Amino acid sequence: ETGVTQSPTHLIKTRGQQVTLRCSSQSGHNTVSWYQQALGQGPQFIFQYYREEENGRGNFPPRFSGLQFPNYSSELNVNALELDDSALYLCASSLDASLKNIQYFGAGTRLSVL
Amino acid sequence: RKEVEQDPGPFNVPEGATVAFNCTYSNSASQSFFWYRQDCRKEPKLLMSVYSSGNEDGRFTAQLNRASQYISLLIRDSKLSDSATYLCVGMNYGGSQGNLIFGKGTKLSVKP
Repeated sequence: ETGVTQSPTHLIKTRGQQVTLRCSSQSGHNTVSWYQQALGQGPQFIFQYYREEENGRGNFPPRFSGLQFPNYSSELNVNALELDDSALYLCASSLDASLKNIQYFGAGTRLSVL
Repeated sequence: RKEVEQDPGPFNVPEGATVAFNCTYSNSASQSFFWYRQDCRKEPKLLMSVYSSGNEDGRFTAQLNRASQYISLLIRDSKLSDSATYLCVGMNYGGSQGNLIFGKGTKLSVKP
């Protein structure tokens, strides 16, 4: 196991609602990246947090926001949920934001928006 | 055009077969590449890193051709347990941050 834990494992929401997903990084890791994986697609980068600051963002609208805490755990918040937000949300932690550090993935949160 | 493109699957092969996956990338600034394996409804797991010289790990060999912007994964003597989706991944560097760019994945089914 990678030591990266995500909660909840599954979630059902309705359109327009807000959701918060959580991620605990592997011990000793200070960088967390979030990805969205739609069915049949590869994961897409949402954003990365390094030492509590956003350290890069993919092509996602502002209603996707995040947070990293002093213990390096992280949250992903999505406001005004849309049907297309239904996906597997993965977080990955790495030792730090240096270029060649391997990212280790959690098991993901499967979000269904009805 | 997507930054990382892979062979369309699925690949259905018998046990013991050799199978090759190909991947191309469009961003010449990508400096690191990886192959990740993803089992059904599970998270991606790193299979191999791929650097300029390529590398081998047991039955798995990964090659990188920077001139052609092409990456490959060769699996020899396929096992039933190799059945999974294989994701080709590039890492783009922006400042100090590296984010992973995934291909759509190629599904492999190894049959008895």
